[in-house]
Amino acid sequence: DAGVTQSPTHLIKTRGQQVTLRCSPKSGHDTVSWYQQALGQGPQFIFQYYEEEERQRGNFPDRFSGHQFPNYSSELNVNALLLGDSALYLCASSLSRTGELFFGEGSRLTVL
Amino acid sequence: GQNIDQPTEMTATEGAIVQINCTYQTSGFNGLFWYQQHAGEAPTFLSYNVLDGLEEKGRFSSFLSRSKGYSYLLLKELQMKDSASYLCAVSDQTGANNLFFGTGTRLTVIP
Repeated sequence: DAGVTQSPTHLIKTRGQQVTLRCSPKSGHDTVSWYQQALGQGPQFIFQYYEEEERQRGNFPDRFSGHQFPNYSSELNVNALLLGDSALYLCASSLSRTGELFFGEGSRLTVL
Repeated sequence: GQNIDQPTEMTATEGAIVQINCTYQTSGFNGLFWYQQHAGEAPTFLSYNVLDGLEEKGRFSSFLSRSKGYSYLLLKELQMKDSASYLCAVSDQTGANNLFFGTGTRLTVIP
């Protein structure tokens, strides 16, 4: 049983560019949440997708957007990248919006 | 706003016991979680407390006092593989599982 898988594992972008990160949830899970973890910090909640809609959002600007597909997989898009967007982006899936979170190993984004 | 505090770093000796404290101030409370995160890996769930008291699970135990906004994670019989970051996180509302995390405590176990 595959757990939460994320791609790419590492990527480098320059300021002003756009990036798309992908997440496949654990089998049977229908809810995907995204977190940003800066170096030496705890994860910060970005948003959650359920039934292909954004259901909750943390304190992140509109440059951060997402999507959920009918197969429950999800994408995180970040536009107009800033140096401060350099972080580990974690995807977590759950069975429903209240179930236990299972985290993927993350996509490490470096913005130069 | 949400505020979760925990020590940045701790060092303990193999075989010993270590207690990692966490204090929180949140607008609501629907449970406190502890996660373990090894460098470069995903956070993995350790424990969940929603009522006051101690929850024991093998070598790991977690305690909660809601009136004090306080929790601790107790690790017994420390092993070298316990070297990791330990994240305290709070769920602040029912019907949702988004979490507010502390900065994490980096534990180093030495021989």
